[in-house]
Amino acid sequence: NAGVTQTPKFQVLKTGQSMTLQCAQDMNHEYMSWYRQDPGMGLRLIHYSVGAGITDQGEVPNGYNVSRSTTEDFPLRLLSAAPSQTSVYFCASKSSDTQYFGPGTRLTVL
Amino acid sequence: AQKITQTQPGMFVQEKEAVTLDCTYDTSDPSYGLFWYKQPSSGEMIFLIYQGSYDQQNATEGRYSLNFQKARKSANLVISASQLGDSAMYFCAMRDFGGNQFYFGTGTSLTVIP
Repeated sequence: NAGVTQTPKFQVLKTGQSMTLQCAQDMNHEYMSWYRQDPGMGLRLIHYSVGAGITDQGEVPNGYNVSRSTTEDFPLRLLSAAPSQTSVYFCASKSSDTQYFGPGTRLTVL
Repeated sequence: AQKITQTQPGMFVQEKEAVTLDCTYDTSDPSYGLFWYKQPSSGEMIFLIYQGSYDQQNATEGRYSLNFQKARKSANLVISASQLGDSAMYFCAMRDFGGNQFYFGTGTSLTVIP
């Protein structure tokens, strides 16, 4: 039982490049979410999903796309990276009221 | 509008003493949930404790307790008998009525002094 896994752990992009942050969970949770954490700020919700095929926006969705084709996976796509997207990204899944977080991906956009 | 406020950027506590980390929230939802998470220097987010808005009793989990004062809209975390391993960032968070939107505070850095 690996819980929530995220890949990669670190990534450096150039402005304008695209990439996908991967997130997977093996707990059969319907709810999954993506957050970003910036210095001096708490986590901010980007997008979430309540099940396969269902996604919705969080507090800061601009510049990010998501899709949910399976219960296990919830990838986050940056179509055209910007320096403002330099951050630590956390994926989480939820059972009842408890969110379980992945280890995070540290993304730098130059 | 900011929904979670943590006014203590940094706190110090002597080992074995108790410490209270403050959290106030703002919502008009009839039902909501309140959480505390710990983030050590290694970066992972660790769930500590949960309080539902309709729970009659304050939540407790081992050395952690949540002092929930609904009328004051506060949900302070109390850590008893502090240990060196408690040194970390602590985040207060709130779940909305729908159960899908979560809001986090800016965190409090706790340092436990030997």
